[in-house]
Amino acid sequence: EPEVTQTPSHQVTQMGQEVILRCVPISNHLYFYWYRQILGQKVEFLVSFYNNEISEKSEIFDDQFSVERPDGSNFTLKIRSTKLEDSAMYFCASKEWAKDYGYTFGSGTRLTVV
Amino acid sequence: KNEVEQSPQNLTAQEGEFITINCSYSVGISALHWLQQHPGGGIVSLFMLSSGKKKHGRLIATINIQEKHSSLHITASHPRDSAVYICAATSYSGGGADGLTFGKGTHLIIQP
Repeated sequence: EPEVTQTPSHQVTQMGQEVILRCVPISNHLYFYWYRQILGQKVEFLVSFYNNEISEKSEIFDDQFSVERPDGSNFTLKIRSTKLEDSAMYFCASKEWAKDYGYTFGSGTRLTVV
Repeated sequence: KNEVEQSPQNLTAQEGEFITINCSYSVGISALHWLQQHPGGGIVSLFMLSSGKKKHGRLIATINIQEKHSSLHITASHPRDSAVYICAATSYSGGGADGLTFGKGTHLIIQP
């Protein structure tokens, strides 16, 4: 069964450093998403991406975040200057069509900012 | 903005019991999703509902659009069903790339 692949599975970074989280969505999917889950809290929507541009973003997705699909297969989330509160599990997800299909989630990247 | 509430927050049951997890949401949605999250953190999509009822194996999901309520049932529960079950909603916005609004999840433990 096709999978959404995320790398790395765990990343530790110093506060203030830039991090890039990588995702390879399912190849024929058109919609891409990033979500995050702070330990012990519910999953939160960050951003959706369609047709090479951001479709929707939440209040969390401020100027320190950016997304890119640089080569038609990878989908990346960049955090420019990490803060302690950015420590969370980050999930990538993709979806084939707009309305009739469920999401496929990656296994997540656990980001720890120290 | 949609609010998604789940109950119960925690549920411990004996193997074989019939399990019900409830979800309510505050505004109209285009779809309601049930997801499963295992201790390692990975999220698996179980169901996507816009009306009626869906069944997959021992799992049944129902939705009542008028009452803005959905339930997830597990029949003949088994210890391997132990996980966090999450309800999430997609609201109408006219586009197709809407993000999900998640509930806090129900932590289910099935004891042998």
